[in-house]
Amino acid sequence: AQSVAQPEDQVNVAEGNPLTVKCTYSVSGNPYLFWYVQYPNRGLQFLLKYITGDNLVKGSYGFEAEFNKSQTSFHLKKPSALVSDSALYFCAVRDRQTGGFKTIFGAGTRLFVKA
Amino acid sequence: NAGVTQTPKFQVLKTGQSMTLQCAQDMNHNSMYWYRQDPGMGLRLIYYSASEGTTDKGEVPNGYNVSRLNKREFSLRLESAAPSQTSVYFCASSPGAETRETQYFGPGTRLLVL
Repeated sequence: AQSVAQPEDQVNVAEGNPLTVKCTYSVSGNPYLFWYVQYPNRGLQFLLKYITGDNLVKGSYGFEAEFNKSQTSFHLKKPSALVSDSALYFCAVRDRQTGGFKTIFGAGTRLFVKA
Repeated sequence: NAGVTQTPKFQVLKTGQSMTLQCAQDMNHNSMYWYRQDPGMGLRLIYYSASEGTTDKGEVPNGYNVSRLNKREFSLRLESAAPSQTSVYFCASSPGAETRETQYFGPGTRLLVL
């Protein structure tokens, strides 16, 4: 069965420090991988996605993520965190083999960046 | 360009009441979706519409119906609300049916069923 795991409910980091939000996945074929961010009382906003090619994907607001096929991971990173990065982050996966409209979302990781 | 809009923003229902959640997009997207978001569970797909005139069940369709009114609008109806349907509901759209496509989300409707 397809699944996405975000092992940390919450990540705390000081402003200016690097941040990592972890994501691992399980799909039967090769995945399309996504990161979305949700600010309070807002809908999800797209950050970045891995389709093919370079394993390091760069996205909005200085975020990047690295696709690691052997570890089935797609961790979100940022070199220097900002207080405004505090939000709820969702990892999501679609199976390119089976296609369809089924996007599997992780449970979310809440990021707190302290000034 | 408003993107994806949803109404209402917040609603309180009593068990057994019905209501319709409205969603509209102005990006000329072909595909639209309804999700529910519950604490600790991420988003789960209720129904989707691949294109105007088609609708299909997602992961958790029981207790819901949908209507793709036209290319812009996709509504979600609760015929007889239950407390288990207390949730935050998000509508989303994407350009088409490609698996690689990004979805664009509305601001959500917070529903409380008493």
